[in-house]
Amino acid sequence: GAVVSQHPSRVICKSGTSVKIECRSLDFQATTMFWYRQFPKQSLMLMATSNEGSKATYEQGVEKDKFLINHASLTLSTLTVTSAHPEDSSFYICSATGGPENAYGYTFGSGTRLTVV
Amino acid sequence: DAKTTQPNSMESNEEEPVHLPCNHSTISGTDYIHWYRQLPSQGPEYVIHGLTSNVNNRMASLAIAEDRKSSTLILHRATLRDAAVYYCILSQSNTGNQFYFGTGTSLTVIP
Repeated sequence: GAVVSQHPSRVICKSGTSVKIECRSLDFQATTMFWYRQFPKQSLMLMATSNEGSKATYEQGVEKDKFLINHASLTLSTLTVTSAHPEDSSFYICSATGGPENAYGYTFGSGTRLTVV
Repeated sequence: DAKTTQPNSMESNEEEPVHLPCNHSTISGTDYIHWYRQLPSQGPEYVIHGLTSNVNNRMASLAIAEDRKSSTLILHRATLRDAAVYYCILSQSNTGNQFYFGTGTSLTVIP
């Protein structure tokens, strides 16, 4: 089945630094990728939608200058949290869709636990 | 986007069937019904999806009401590994459209 790999699984960074999270579709071409954020005991919140080769579409209330999304190829999207602060500590999850190989439609990565200290 | 309503939590005894309900009274004719589950500190895992007809796969069954305003995820024999948060999600396309997650149902399986 379709596999989405997310890296790193855990990251700790200092306040004020930037962190990049990668999301790769391993066995299908992901025409669209989605980024979510999940705080403890809460549901997933969609942050943005990115299509390969075009600018990401951000959900209302999500700062596009803080959460930079690049979807440069059909198998890779990156989320960069710029000037991270403790309130950005969260579980970030990507999902990907596209391609006839992806029979289920949407496949999620395993998530990245970001801790900003 | 059409919203879904699920009970916050449910319990089931191990090896018994579990029926997880979902209300989606504002569903449109083109909305697919998706079910995903999430274990702690993991990304959501696909369970099943459907449009109008009931669906079966190796993990579960999906029963969709005739008016499509509700659906039920059926786990035929709950195991301890089925303990997770189950999300019922509507999407306007089988692929390519956004998922907006509700609160989901936290399923506890009692040994």
